Amino acid sequence: GAGVSQSPSNKVTEKGKDVELRCDPISGHTALYWYRQSLGQGLEFLIYFQGNSAPDKSGLPSDRFSAERTGGSVSTLTIQRTQQEDSAVYLCASSFRRGSPLHFGNGTRLTVT
Amino acid sequence: SQELEQSPQSLIVQEGKNLTINCTSSKTLYGLYWYKQKYGEGLIFLMMLQKGGEEKSHEKITAKLDEKKQQSSLHITASQPSHAGIYLCGADNNQGAQKLVFGQGTRLTINP
Repeated sequence: GAGVSQSPSNKVTEKGKDVELRCDPISGHTALYWYRQSLGQGLEFLIYFQGNSAPDKSGLPSDRFSAERTGGSVSTLTIQRTQQEDSAVYLCASSFRRGSPLHFGNGTRLTVT
Repeated sequence: SQELEQSPQSLIVQEGKNLTINCTSSKTLYGLYWYKQKYGEGLIFLMMLQKGGEEKSHEKITAKLDEKKQQSSLHITASQPSHAGIYLCGADNNQGAQKLVFGQGTRLTINP
């Protein structure tokens, strides 16, 4: 597609439920990132995929968070047993190579009730 | 770890006025990116700076990176309502993975 696509755009879930957020990066981009943006906060790095290398998971806030990138393209961010503090906008970005600008999707707004 | 501090945190200017947003790093910047975000949308890439003293312009927006590569500024000339939004600077920490670190953002409001 023309840009980074994220789905769903909005997700409301009950506390304790699992959620999956999807990201379709720009075709040909080898790097894929997940960030989290909480109300009034800056962007918090979560995880980074580069080609076939092991992902950099250093930003994941707890073991309830995990992410996969299948076939070097689509990525799924999974949050298990959601908590209210998980409520935020989850942004996905991709880039062509190191040093190239990141292109962001419109994000998924997650609300945990 | 590298931290980016943006100033001001918020800015209200009258349409037609010039304005400047600053981004300061505690460490040398190996790649400095400026983005704009509107409510409910993702980040839109504006400009990337890599060399000390580098300056880039696009339409009425100019971004500069100082010689020491620790501070960048974003200048908007003759501001318009379309410039309103949140401006974020992001930097490459030049350590292994390209894990961009972002400032807290500057919320810009343009009054007609």
